[in-house]
Amino acid sequence: ETGVTQSPTHLIKTRGQQVTLRCSSQSGHNTVSWYQQALGQGPQFIFQYYREEENGRGNFPPRFSGLQFPNYSSELNVNALELDDSALYLCASSLRLVVESDTQYFGPGTRLTVL
Amino acid sequence: ILNVEQSPQSLHVQEGDSTNFTCSFPSSNFYALHWYRWETAKSPEALFVMTLNGDEKKKGRISATLNTKEGYSYLYIKGSQPEDSATYLCARGSGNTGKLIFGQGTTLQVKP
Repeated sequence: ETGVTQSPTHLIKTRGQQVTLRCSSQSGHNTVSWYQQALGQGPQFIFQYYREEENGRGNFPPRFSGLQFPNYSSELNVNALELDDSALYLCASSLRLVVESDTQYFGPGTRLTVL
Repeated sequence: ILNVEQSPQSLHVQEGDSTNFTCSFPSSNFYALHWYRWETAKSPEALFVMTLNGDEKKKGRISATLNTKEGYSYLYIKGSQPEDSATYLCARGSGNTGKLIFGQGTTLQVKP
């Protein structure tokens, strides 16, 4: 089975622009979560999607939005980019609607730099 | 906000040394504790998920223990090898969304 993949690997944008990051879940997984890792910090939960519906959101503003598609791939969209949005963005997939003890399988991340 | 703390922040050991790291978390409303290993330019790799007080898990030379009453978990690596060089993350499971609250990680460097 294929693992979680993310694209692009790296991305450079300027302040005010919009960006879309993509994630392909591990085969058979119907839940995807997105995390932001700023420099020197642990990953922070942005939101989770289960069967195309948002199922929980962290402390991120509405300009962070997401989509999950019928094939369970997912997008993270960020509007009106700010310098502090520069970070590594990770997605993680799970086999089912996640409970706290379920393993989440991570992709390698997308490095976003905002200039 | 329920903080997860990891110590030390970084660690340098010689090949063959055994080492351990600590993950501390609030003991109230505990659900689960996850450990991940994250090598540079790769995906974080799940090591263990622990849920019960006193849990001990082992995977090769790596093992972990859990104390939910006092709010800590230890990760042990026996006979460290250069390929163990990575950042080790712990995360607290939080409620029914499966949201993970991560510590900042411990970066291990094993010198040959």
